[in-house]
Amino acid sequence: DQQVKQNSPSLSVQEGRISILNCDYTNSMFDYFLWYKKYPAEGPTFLISISSIKDKNEDGRFTVFLNKSAKHLSLHIVPSQPGDSAVYFCAARASGGGTSYGKLTFGQGTILTVHP
Amino acid sequence: GAGVSQSPSNKVTEKGKDVELRCDPISGHTALYWYRQSLGQGLEFLIYFQGNSAPDKSGLPSDRFSAERTGGSVSTLTIQRTQQEDSAVYLCASTAKETQYFGPGTRLLVL
Repeated sequence: DQQVKQNSPSLSVQEGRISILNCDYTNSMFDYFLWYKKYPAEGPTFLISISSIKDKNEDGRFTVFLNKSAKHLSLHIVPSQPGDSAVYFCAARASGGGTSYGKLTFGQGTILTVHP
Repeated sequence: GAGVSQSPSNKVTEKGKDVELRCDPISGHTALYWYRQSLGQGLEFLIYFQGNSAPDKSGLPSDRFSAERTGGSVSTLTIQRTQQEDSAVYLCASTAKETQYFGPGTRLLVL
């Protein structure tokens, strides 16, 4: 049961244009969402996050949008740069305490390629 | 450096052997996670340690997998009688507040 889905395995964008990466989820208990970026041979690095009480969070060239009714979030990168080329993972965390608090559920990842 | 470190960075082993993977979290982080990423897949949760609480082992795929965290710091993931399907990148992360910081991973190849 894939609770977090990234349906596009890859995305190719021209430098300077907008990159839009999408993520869908099924678990209504998810209340915090994160995007991670991963370069080859490195661990994922945190990029940006959003709480379920918000619908938008912006950090420089990166903006995350959350549509709770559609259970959908997206990451916008504007303008895209060749150095943004990496695998992008969407992740979600369920609310509540207990031993599972903080556990992240990841999507399969989207490979972004930004062409000069 | 001050980041999460993992060792070894690469491990090749023969089917049936046991392996130990080590994670050194960021100092002061109380929560530690193990994930694995198989080829073409997303990150799969394995186990979660939070302070002195009982760990969440719900992601361990079989009883061949176990993990310990000694003294609230270093963690070891042990895979007994390795199988070829265990081949993956094993990632460790530690947490400050909401954000998980990942190590570079251990690439395990079981021949």
